[in-house]
Amino acid sequence: AQSVAQPEDQVNVAEGNPLTVKCTYSVSGNPYLFWYVQYPNRGLQFLLKYITGDNLVKGSYGFEAEFNKSQTSFHLKKPSALVSDSALYFCAVREDGNNRLAFGKGNQVVVIP
Amino acid sequence: EPEVTQTPSHQVTQMGQEVILRCVPISNHLYFYWYRQILGQKVEFLVSFYNNEISEKSEIFDDQFSVERPDGSNFTLKIRSTKLEDSAMYFCASTPDRGRTEAFFGQGTRLTVV
Repeated sequence: AQSVAQPEDQVNVAEGNPLTVKCTYSVSGNPYLFWYVQYPNRGLQFLLKYITGDNLVKGSYGFEAEFNKSQTSFHLKKPSALVSDSALYFCAVREDGNNRLAFGKGNQVVVIP
Repeated sequence: EPEVTQTPSHQVTQMGQEVILRCVPISNHLYFYWYRQILGQKVEFLVSFYNNEISEKSEIFDDQFSVERPDGSNFTLKIRSTKLEDSAMYFCASTPDRGRTEAFFGQGTRLTVV
């Protein structure tokens, strides 16, 4: 069964500093990996995905993520965090041939001005 | 930009009552999904729907749940006899195809069972 782990509950970072949100996954086949962001009282908003090809993928709002097959990780990064990046971030995986997304528990990111 | 819309945004119901949550997926999408998020917990898959039938469901999606596409635009989730533990945010999502495309999520319906 596919699963995702997001080990930290909350990530605090000062505005302007690099932001990293960690994600590791487990699948038996090829993974399709996604990051979503959720602002208060809002739905899940797609940020970026890894399907195949380059291990470094770039997405919306300056976010990027690196797929590491040997470490089964897909950490989300942003070089310089903004206060407006404060939100809940979810990593998700879909196994090739499967319909369902498996989500991690989410990480609350707090960017301190 | 096309989006998935859900109604209502908040529904309060008494335990044992039936509720129907409504969704309008993106018009050219073919796969539809329901997920739920109990407060403070992870987002969980409930069901996927394609070509007018359920293509996959989770162990959460038991006999009290059903889904339907009653017309060409709406996609509904019915909970037959609500329980307190059904209180959650319910998200509808859609994709144009099966695997590689990201899912587009609606704003969610917060269901409160009292």
